[in-house]
Amino acid sequence: DTGVSQNPRHKITKRGQNVTFRCDPISEHNRLYWYRQTLGQGPEFLTYFQNEAQLEKSRLLSDRFSAERPKGSFSTLEIQRTEQGDSAMYLCASSASQGRSYNEQFFGPGTRLTVL
Amino acid sequence: ELKVEQNPLFLSMQEGKNYTIYCNYSTTSDRLYWYRQDPGKSLESLFVLLSNGAVKQEGRLMASLDTKARLSTLHITAAVHDLSATYFCAVDTNAGKSTFGDGTTLTVKP
Repeated sequence: DTGVSQNPRHKITKRGQNVTFRCDPISEHNRLYWYRQTLGQGPEFLTYFQNEAQLEKSRLLSDRFSAERPKGSFSTLEIQRTEQGDSAMYLCASSASQGRSYNEQFFGPGTRLTVL
Repeated sequence: ELKVEQNPLFLSMQEGKNYTIYCNYSTTSDRLYWYRQDPGKSLESLFVLLSNGAVKQEGRLMASLDTKARLSTLHITAAVHDLSATYFCAVDTNAGKSTFGDGTTLTVKP
């Protein structure tokens, strides 16, 4: 399967704990995006990378959130000192910056975070 | 700030009927996407619309784009139960990040 993969698929944690999610994009895609989706809402942009460079971060991304893509392949999203308001589905997407499918984003299955 | 509005947010329709979902956006953009999301699942790409007047069709779904009016429509023809899902439109801003509408939850009843 060459689609976008995310791990874990589900995470339950206690308030105040740190959590880390991983995203593996489609191998030939150089752009990688993180979105957050809460119930009844559309996905909200968090941040995106082109290769290993983090090019944009949303104001939604507080200082408790950090994302990395160290080698331009997989990415991690870490949330420190989780709060109940962080409970959401975290979606990763990837795209190519050129070619026929330019900027068409393909989404992974998501990681559902529940903060107790 | 780019805003994307969909309407209706909820749509209940009978099998065999036609209906249209509307997506308005507030600033100039050169591409618009439609996605489908089933409960608890991720987003499935349906259509990519790249230019004014673009029309794409797949089965019972047809999407169009009017960049001058900043409006896209998703038309459903002769709905069937399998089309029940939430449909999102998304608009690209600079550098490709997408701004999504709040979705239209479609329920098709027999």
